[in-house]
Amino acid sequence: KQEVTQIPAALSVPEGENLVLNCSFTDSAIYNLQWFRQDPGKGLTSLLLIQSSQREQTSGRLNASLDKSSGRSTLYIAASQPGDSATYLCAVRAHNYGQNFVFGPGTRLSVLP
Amino acid sequence: DTEVTQTPKHLVMGMTNKKSLKCEQHMGHRAMYWYKQKAKKPPELMFVYSYEKLSINESVPSRFSPECPNSSLLNLHLHALQPEDSALYLCASSPGQAYTYQPQHFGDGTRLSIL
Repeated sequence: KQEVTQIPAALSVPEGENLVLNCSFTDSAIYNLQWFRQDPGKGLTSLLLIQSSQREQTSGRLNASLDKSSGRSTLYIAASQPGDSATYLCAVRAHNYGQNFVFGPGTRLSVLP
Repeated sequence: DTEVTQTPKHLVMGMTNKKSLKCEQHMGHRAMYWYKQKAKKPPELMFVYSYEKLSINESVPSRFSPECPNSSLLNLHLHALQPEDSALYLCASSPGQAYTYQPQHFGDGTRLSIL
């Protein structure tokens, strides 16, 4: 059974810092991994989709890496801003889960002014 | 602005009421999903529709009844819900369930409270 974990569960940093969020999954048989942002009480906003054959994807200040063999992904946020405060979830699209997504529990990020 | 539209944004209902949640997308996607999300927990998959046919039901109680009347619209009919069903209900779509290399797009959700 595919299980996804995220470390840390919560993170608080001062504005301007670079930071890394971690995502781990137990079964490397995945199609891709997607990082989402969720603001309180809102839906999920897709940030980056990284295919199983790719090593990294970049969008603006965000960079996601994937090491499928070790079951790990990281989301790097450069020069953090208070507007980055949200919960960040990773989800893997697993071969053995009806091709559907398995979500991690999320990391709650607070960027302090 | 999200490309997946969910209505209503908030819903309060009693345990004997019947109500429906609505989800709409106009991206030409042929797979649509319902998720349930409790506070501070990740979304949990409830149903998947592929080409307007129910393909996955994750052992959801029968008081939740999904419907996909056409390729753009997904409904979730609610009847005799319990207080523990209070949650954020998220709809998502993707080009197709078998298009495994494509992302899912989520709506803003409906916040449901059962009295």
